[in-house]
Amino acid sequence: AQKITQTQPGMFVQEKEAVTLDCTYDTSDQSYGLFWYKQPSSGEMIFLIYQGSYDEQNATEGRYSLNFQKARKSANLVISASQLGDSAMYFCAMREVYNFNKFYFGSGTKLNVKP
Amino acid sequence: NAGVTQTPKFQVLKTGQSMTLQCAQDMNHEYMSWYRQDPGMGLRLIHYSVGAGITDQGEVPNGYNVSRSTTEDFPLRLLSAAPSQTSVYFCASSYRPGQPGTNTEAFFGQGTRLTVV
Repeated sequence: AQKITQTQPGMFVQEKEAVTLDCTYDTSDQSYGLFWYKQPSSGEMIFLIYQGSYDEQNATEGRYSLNFQKARKSANLVISASQLGDSAMYFCAMREVYNFNKFYFGSGTKLNVKP
Repeated sequence: NAGVTQTPKFQVLKTGQSMTLQCAQDMNHEYMSWYRQDPGMGLRLIHYSVGAGITDQGEVPNGYNVSRSTTEDFPLRLLSAAPSQTSVYFCASSYRPGQPGTNTEAFFGQGTRLTVV
C-alpha cells in the first residue's frame, strides 16, 4: 500500500497568491515525522518543513506552513505569497520512527508560479 | 561543510557492466539511505543503513548491493547493470530520531544521473 499520496501531479498559482499542496499518508505507527522537500529544476533536494506526530501546533517556516490534520492523516503544505522561484517539484515524505526510521516519499507535485 | 557528497554526477554504462556509486557524509549521521527517482514515481528506497555494519533492503533492492563499513561511507553497487536501472540516484543521511539537539530531516546529495544502454 502507498504510504504517501500526492494527488496533484501539477498545479499553477499566480505570483503573490497562496497555494496548498495536498499530502495524505498511511501509517499504523504512533510516532512519525512528516516532511516537505522542494526539488528545483537543478535537481537538488531542499528540506522545507517538518512536523512531528506529537506536535500539537502546525509547523511554520517563513512562507511555508504545514496544515497537519492527524485524524485525517493529512499534511498539506501551504505556501503563502508565491514567488517565481517557488516553481519546482514538491515532495511530501514520512519517517516512521519505529520502522527503522525509513523515509517514504510521495510522487510529487509540480508547481508552476505564473507572473 | 561538505554535507553529503555523491560521485559521480553522471554515468553511462553498458548493459551487464558493474559499477559503484559513492556516497560520503561528514555530519556523523547514523542513518544513510539510497533512493532512485523515476518520472512520476517520486523517490523509492533501495537500501538503507542505521549504522556501521547494519544494512537492510528498502522497496526496490533487486540488482543493488550495499555495505557500511564506516559511519561516513555508504556505497551502492550495481552488479550487472540493466536498462531498467536508468534513473537518478540520491544518497541521503540523517540523525537518528531522539538524538538530543538534532533535527531528523534527511540531507541529500546532489544526485547521480545514470544511463544504462
